[in-house]
Amino acid sequence: ETGVTQSPTHLIKTRGQQVTLRCSSQSGHNTVSWYQQALGQGPQFIFQYYREEENGRGNFPPRFSGLQFPNYSSELNVNALELDDSALYLCASSLVAGRDTDTQYFGPGTRLTVL
Amino acid sequence: AQKITQTQPGMFVQEKEAVTLDCTYDTSDPSYGLFWYKQPSSGEMIFLIYQGSYDQQNATEGRYSLNFQKARKSANLVISASQLGDSAMYFCAMREGPVWGYGNKLVFGAGTILRVKS
Repeated sequence: ETGVTQSPTHLIKTRGQQVTLRCSSQSGHNTVSWYQQALGQGPQFIFQYYREEENGRGNFPPRFSGLQFPNYSSELNVNALELDDSALYLCASSLVAGRDTDTQYFGPGTRLTVL
Repeated sequence: AQKITQTQPGMFVQEKEAVTLDCTYDTSDPSYGLFWYKQPSSGEMIFLIYQGSYDQQNATEGRYSLNFQKARKSANLVISASQLGDSAMYFCAMREGPVWGYGNKLVFGAGTILRVKS
């Protein structure tokens, strides 16, 4: 196990609602990245947080937002849910420190279904 | 253009045999990293192996090795002595730019489903 935890495991929402997903990073890691994985596809990068600041964003609309807390845990918020937001949401933590490798270790994911 | 291409949607291998999963990548950045992840049906992405663009030797981790051919832009995963528990989806991923760069996101391929037969 990686030590990265996510909650909840599963979630069912209806269109237009808002959702918050949570992630606790592995001990010693300072960076959290969020990915969306639609069924049958590879994960797509949503955004990354480093030292509580957004450190890069993928091609996702502003209704996808996030936070990172001083303990490096993170939240992903999605407003005005759409049917296409149904996916597995993966959180990954890593240690970015100089020239060391930045391997991202993933949590078990949150499966979101939007009806 | 796709950054990561995995041309094998599905593969079968006999238990205890070796299997190679293909991955080609496209980048103009001289500094990049290549990763392989395993995703069982449970959904969790499990890190397997890493190769940096400046690494002189192919990476190895237990039964996993990465056949890195820089000129061909390929980073194939070799699994030796396949086990039933190796049945899963396998993803190749790339980080463009140096580790300390801005937004070191991973770009994933479409994946290859591996089935190990007994």
